[in-house]
Amino acid sequence: DAKTTQPPSMDCAEGRAANLPCNHSTISGNEYVYWYRQIHSQGPQYIIHGLKNNETNEMASLIITEDRKSSTLILPHATLRDTAVYYCIVRGITSYDKVIFGPGTSLSVIP
Amino acid sequence: ETGVTQTPRHLVMGMTNKKSLKCEQHLGHNAMYWYKQSAKKPLELMFVYNFKEQTENNSVPSRFSPECPNSSHLFLHLHTLQPEDSALYLCASSQDRSQTPGYTFGSGTRLTVV
Repeated sequence: DAKTTQPPSMDCAEGRAANLPCNHSTISGNEYVYWYRQIHSQGPQYIIHGLKNNETNEMASLIITEDRKSSTLILPHATLRDTAVYYCIVRGITSYDKVIFGPGTSLSVIP
Repeated sequence: ETGVTQTPRHLVMGMTNKKSLKCEQHLGHNAMYWYKQSAKKPLELMFVYNFKEQTENNSVPSRFSPECPNSSHLFLHLHTLQPEDSALYLCASSQDRSQTPGYTFGSGTRLTVV
């Protein structure tokens, strides 16, 4: 089973910030939080990851709570091309750490 | 292109056919993975290879047979498939003990079994 829970779907108005929550209450100390997204029928695309500090890159920001039991992915100015399924995943960094995908959050950006 | 190339992009095969899916990465990664994604379902992990050795077989039926001849190539051999095996098959790779970018996925092979 996936180690994370996410809302099944969300809507966001174009140009507004999209805030996607994720719960990972059983995360262990050596596990990172990763976010991927999958645009229809394509392979998942890496967005961002973090351990305990907040992170920002050109695509998004990641806010991790102090107890690390939940996180939020923020797309600051959502566009129609951001419509996708967003997956929150926790994993260690060895290649022996399995990555299990949950159903993710289907984000619809509305004009 | 993500650095992980899958061929073919689309495949239609009969239940008595034998076909193979190919995945290739030149990212220097040491681990490769096969995932299956059926319609409106999450990705399901099928096989994991680390340093060319299979380290995970997630109870996959024997009609799916993986092969990893070297750390850059991964195959999925298919034979006597069923219509319910129709799905998007995704290959991914990763580098041991590297954080970024985690997994790199290919664009997938859309398989239809008729």
